[in-house]
Amino acid sequence: QKEVEQNSGPLSVPEGAIASLNCTYSDRGSQSFFWYRQYSGKSPELIMSIYSNGDKEDGRFTAQLNKASQYVSLLIRDSQPSDSATYLCAVRRAGTSYGKLTFGQGTILTVHP
Amino acid sequence: NAGVMQNPRHLVRRRGQEARLRCSPMKGHSHVYWYRQLPEEGLKFMVYLQKENIIDESGMPKERFSAEFPKEGPSILRIQQVVRGDSAAYFCASSYRETEAFFGQGTRLTVV
Repeated sequence: QKEVEQNSGPLSVPEGAIASLNCTYSDRGSQSFFWYRQYSGKSPELIMSIYSNGDKEDGRFTAQLNKASQYVSLLIRDSQPSDSATYLCAVRRAGTSYGKLTFGQGTILTVHP
Repeated sequence: NAGVMQNPRHLVRRRGQEARLRCSPMKGHSHVYWYRQLPEEGLKFMVYLQKENIIDESGMPKERFSAEFPKEGPSILRIQQVVRGDSAAYFCASSYRETEAFFGQGTRLTVV
């Protein structure tokens, strides 16, 4: 079992729709959870972080965390073609440095006009 | 305020040569992390350094790979006697103490 697993994708949604990206993790000691966006050939860009159960909203993005189910998700509302990218879920284990992250393999999102 | 700077952006090496990848953290950041992204795979943690110290190298291959972050100058990831399997994108990230880390643009290493 991989430490961090994401829905395999690729995921294709029409412009204006809600894109839903999912991630599960195996280590119950995980404490911090992050979503990064990576355009092809570019560096990962942090778009959301979440540390406690529940929802966290930032603009069109909502991150959801359920530690009991070991599940974290990212919703993108009103999806735009510019949202087309690979989305990486990352977790940090308690007691480790903020920069030491375990990443999932990524989900490719395509938003078509 | 410049971000994390990596150079070179692209590096081509023949098998058996050495590769040196450089990373200058964001201004004020003293924590540096190196990651490797192999084709079709996710990012994998390699090593965590602070000035003049290796804090965690649990993700570093046992042979041929080394990293340093001297008191002055950039952090260096060094790969000796490169092989084709070393071809990947190498990303550096930096943070200010225990805060979220920011990634550089990466160095894409191709071994021919």
